[in-house]
Amino acid sequence: ETGVTQTPRHLVMGMTNKKSLKCEQHLGHNAMYWYKQSAKKPLELMFVYNFKEQTENNSVPSRFSPECPNSSHLFLHLHTLQPEDSALYLCASREGYEQYFGPGTRLTVT
Amino acid sequence: AQKITQTQPGMFVQEKEAVTLDCTYDTSDQSYGLFWYKQPSSGEMIFLIYQGSYDEQNATEGRYSLNFQKARKSANLVISASQLGDSAMYFCAMREAQPFSNSNSGYALNFGKGTSLLVTP
Repeated sequence: ETGVTQTPRHLVMGMTNKKSLKCEQHLGHNAMYWYKQSAKKPLELMFVYNFKEQTENNSVPSRFSPECPNSSHLFLHLHTLQPEDSALYLCASREGYEQYFGPGTRLTVT
Repeated sequence: AQKITQTQPGMFVQEKEAVTLDCTYDTSDQSYGLFWYKQPSSGEMIFLIYQGSYDEQNATEGRYSLNFQKARKSANLVISASQLGDSAMYFCAMREAQPFSNSNSGYALNFGKGTSLLVTP
């Protein structure tokens, strides 16, 4: 039990669908992160929330939209994705130096 | 530019033997942190060990130790007495204080490409 949960664990969606990934942490941490892990590539940082303040990453396409309604929950809203967006999406939370990761959502875009 | 380099895409080790996974890094920061994570096939990233740039002693956590050579900018992970359950991907990561130039976002991690470790009986 890592304290960081992600739902769903697996998701298959069409290019015209809209879906959301959910991350929840019960560790009392103030920073939360979305990472993307594609095959044979390093983990890529997508978004950071620090005390619910969003950090913009200009290199992330607008078809990915994060939301952090409170310090325990983080969402990633997806719409009109492309097949190359298929990847493992990992959520993490942080207090101090260590980041605690969730199990990830395996996303397949068809 | 790549900040974390893991040059070993795959490694094999026999059970009960020790193995070293290589990691080199590049940074101009004086204060930074280095991490190792394990990712089994289930996908979850599991924290193993942390080394701060000002720590004088090499970090150790059970069977894991970090061979930190600051002048060489290397932070190799040593796993002693390998077990079958150690088979997984291993990622080296470095803490960045400001991942985005236009923000005050706190720490984020910059990861290497990983090393796949297979422990054989």
